[in-house]
Amino acid sequence: IAGITQAPTSQILAAGRRMTLRCTQDMRHNAMYWYRQDLGLGLRLIHYSNTAGTTGKGEVPDGYSVSRANTDDFPLTLASAVPSQTSVYFCASSAREGMGEQFFGPGTRLTVL
Amino acid sequence: SQQGEEDPQALSIQEGENATMNCSYKTSINNLQWYRQNSGRGLVHLILIRSNEREKHSGRLRVTLDTSKKSSSLLITASRAADTASYFCASHGSSNTGKLIFGQGTTLQVKP
Repeated sequence: IAGITQAPTSQILAAGRRMTLRCTQDMRHNAMYWYRQDLGLGLRLIHYSNTAGTTGKGEVPDGYSVSRANTDDFPLTLASAVPSQTSVYFCASSAREGMGEQFFGPGTRLTVL
Repeated sequence: SQQGEEDPQALSIQEGENATMNCSYKTSINNLQWYRQNSGRGLVHLILIRSNEREKHSGRLRVTLDTSKKSSSLLITASRAADTASYFCASHGSSNTGKLIFGQGTTLQVKP
């Protein structure tokens, strides 16, 4: 693994189903983030974690949950998917919260029907 | 919305010309960053300018920051077809929440 990986690359999901998007980084970064990207809206922060064991809500957290059991993994769960959650989801990490550049994964394209 | 704004939304130029993109943000910042996104890919960090800096260079990139106007610009000189991408500014607020606030992006097309 080099950098950040996300899985799956893409997914088509029926409304009401549960879905977990996976994110793993091997840079030992403390902070991790989940964004969604929608046409014309740029990137919006869903949830973040400044260090293992802690999480926080971003700009658009409703319908999503996260956990940070260890430094490397930061899964994003949609408990009951709705069509408005159709988007491209990016995971990112940074060495420490508050400063510096963020490193992004390749994204997961999710379609909820 | 906390998002900043970018201008123009789309820019089309010929190879060899310069491309200028502008960004405005809403709150006081620690730093402002520019990212690039190729179609279908994740964002890649280009350059970071701190709130006490006014100008920064990296290769063919020049970034300026005017904190009094809450604005920044990204200049790409001698553009190449490979520069075709979307460019996003992102501001780190001085409240130290760790959150980046992204602009909506400028789509740059460089014609060969």
